[in-house]
Amino acid sequence: DGGITQSPKYLFRKEGQNVTLSCEQNLNHDAMYWYRQDPGQGLRLIYYSQIVNDFQKGDIAEGYSVSREKKESFPLTVTSAQKNPTAFYLCASRKTGFGDAGELFFGEGSRLTVL
Amino acid sequence: GQNIDQPTEMTATEGAIVQINCTYQTSGFNGLFWYQQHAGEAPTFLSYNVLDGLEEKGRFSSFLSRSKGYSYLLLKELQMKDSASYLCAVREKITDKLIFGTGTRLQVFP
Repeated sequence: DGGITQSPKYLFRKEGQNVTLSCEQNLNHDAMYWYRQDPGQGLRLIYYSQIVNDFQKGDIAEGYSVSREKKESFPLTVTSAQKNPTAFYLCASRKTGFGDAGELFFGEGSRLTVL
Repeated sequence: GQNIDQPTEMTATEGAIVQINCTYQTSGFNGLFWYQQHAGEAPTFLSYNVLDGLEEKGRFSSFLSRSKGYSYLLLKELQMKDSASYLCAVREKITDKLIFGTGTRLQVFP
């Protein structure tokens, strides 16, 4: 079955460490996104990529980095420069093209806790 | 810039109808989405509006007025499982970014 897989589901990290969250999709979608959600809050856009080897900063990119070397994969690195990294991270993808609603399909999320 | 407003919380009774409003301001509009999110889970897509008017999908309907920067999600015949957060999101025309509101937490009581 097609879908988006995020791993790990839960992650604990010490302050000062970088951590990479994985996101893989087999939906053949061109566009992929990373969002962050804090308790009781909406989703805030970190980075997005509309095509392989290209990506753009979202609204809260500081302290994060991404790569898009393959269509299927869009890993997110939370660096030690991110001041408040404890959050629920959601990866999403969507089909792009004329006539499509282009709704986002989400992975199950990765919950990062910094100790 | 962009701004999306929704009520923070709403309550309703099982079997009733509830309307969740969303107002938005954006530099270029290219569609509005509604998502449902249960606690601790990923959002799931409910509806999409790009033209003015009402879109109906079973118990859920969504309405859009582009001139007013306004949308609502209407939930009929409420069930306990409808207790969730409902997120309004707008796609920006130039950047193609999907910007989310903070969500409305709906509690359905028996």
